[in-house]
Amino acid sequence: GNSVTQMEGPVTLSEEAFLTINCTYTATGYPSLFWYVQYPGEGLQLLLKATKADDKGSNKGFEATYRKETTSFHLEKGSVQVSDSAVYFCALSDSGGSNYKLTFGKGTLLTVNP
Amino acid sequence: DTGVSQNPRHKITKRGQNVTFRCDPISEHNRLYWYRQTLGQGPEFLTYFQNEAQLEKSRLLSDRFSAERPKGSFSTLEIQRTEQGDSAMYLCASSPGLAGTETQYFGPGTRLLVL
Repeated sequence: GNSVTQMEGPVTLSEEAFLTINCTYTATGYPSLFWYVQYPGEGLQLLLKATKADDKGSNKGFEATYRKETTSFHLEKGSVQVSDSAVYFCALSDSGGSNYKLTFGKGTLLTVNP
Repeated sequence: DTGVSQNPRHKITKRGQNVTFRCDPISEHNRLYWYRQTLGQGPEFLTYFQNEAQLEKSRLLSDRFSAERPKGSFSTLEIQRTEQGDSAMYLCASSPGLAGTETQYFGPGTRLLVL
């Protein structure tokens, strides 16, 4: 079956530090990959996505590249801000007859200190 | 577009009681999903509707759970004879249903606490 494994948290960084959150996946078909973010007290929001191998998703300074050879989709940001403090979820959607449901990782809590 | 809305936002109930949650997806969205999120975990898929048809149910959805989408618009999720293990955040998401893989838009969730 499908699964997503992401870096255990929590992650604590100082403002302007470099961020990497690792994500690897297992899928039976050809998945699309997503990063969702959950800010304190808010619902899940799509941060970025990539639908095929070697695609790079980007948004708000965050980037992730779909690496089929390593089955990875690591999230990076060059300079984090306090406002980036949130829980980040890696997810996949497998089109192989699965009704496009999302399979999520456990989430990584990021805290950015001023 | 207004976003996905869910009601109630919070529900506290006693073990053994029945509860019902409502989800209003984004207008014109054909696909609707229910997920459950427990503390410290990512959301887990419960069930999926394409218009009014319920096309998939997870094995997490025991016989005490039932979901409907009678007119292909809003959806309800009912839990009968609630148990303490049902305590979780119940999330609803929708997507247009016009293409293959699409972005799912999530509601704020209904937080259930079973005492």
